Amino acid sequence: EIVLRQSPATLSLSPGERATLACRASPTMNTTYVSTFHLAWYQQKLGQAPRLLIYGASNRATGIPDRFSGSVSGTNFTLTISRLEPEDFAVYYCQHYGSTLFTFGPGTTVDIK
Amino acid sequence: QVQLQESGPGLVKPSETLSLTCTVSGGSITRHYWSWIRQPPGKALEWIGYFYDSESTKYNPSLESRVTMSVDTSKNQFSLRLNSVTAADTAVYFCASPSSGSFFDAFDLWGQGTKVIVSS
Repeated sequence: EIVLRQSPATLSLSPGERATLACRASPTMNTTYVSTFHLAWYQQKLGQAPRLLIYGASNRATGIPDRFSGSVSGTNFTLTISRLEPEDFAVYYCQHYGSTLFTFGPGTTVDIK
Repeated sequence: QVQLQESGPGLVKPSETLSLTCTVSGGSITRHYWSWIRQPPGKALEWIGYFYDSESTKYNPSLESRVTMSVDTSKNQFSLRLNSVTAADTAVYFCASPSSGSFFDAFDLWGQGTKVIVSS
């Protein structure tokens, strides 16, 4: 099983600023493999279903603006929003998929400073 | 364009069974991985489990003893049953899937979610 830890819990920024969200994957057993190919990022606004932003750690989903980007270093994943637009203030979740269990992280709230 | 729609009772009594259905429109339900996810009020997303063509199921270990997923191909629907519910099962329940249907793809298809309250 893989545990996902997201930081920070809350990120307070102004429109136009850069947002950097982290997701760290930790296997609970030494034999569990953390696939860097199967990490996704979702955006969720209040009262709505999550929306897929990034899959495979760094691939933008269809229709996602290029201000959203994903990267990976080892088992540390990053979602970057280059310049925050008013509609980007939301909760962001990382997810590990394509494995025995499909795990979500606890989320990072990006709110307006 | 494939769309998902959850349905079911919005109120369930403690110790009873929660039953939800996800209707798939615009595509086939066969040869496709389908998942259920839930979100308690103010909390994070929790993956409940997936199934594939009634051949393969996998449930979150924290819920495994109480969960059953099934499919009705004649109606293009798949279902979730969660028994012995408590207040901790109060949540918005989503059905979701990769549009490719593949086990190795992320969830780009989501239903709008259905809110279930467990209360007497």
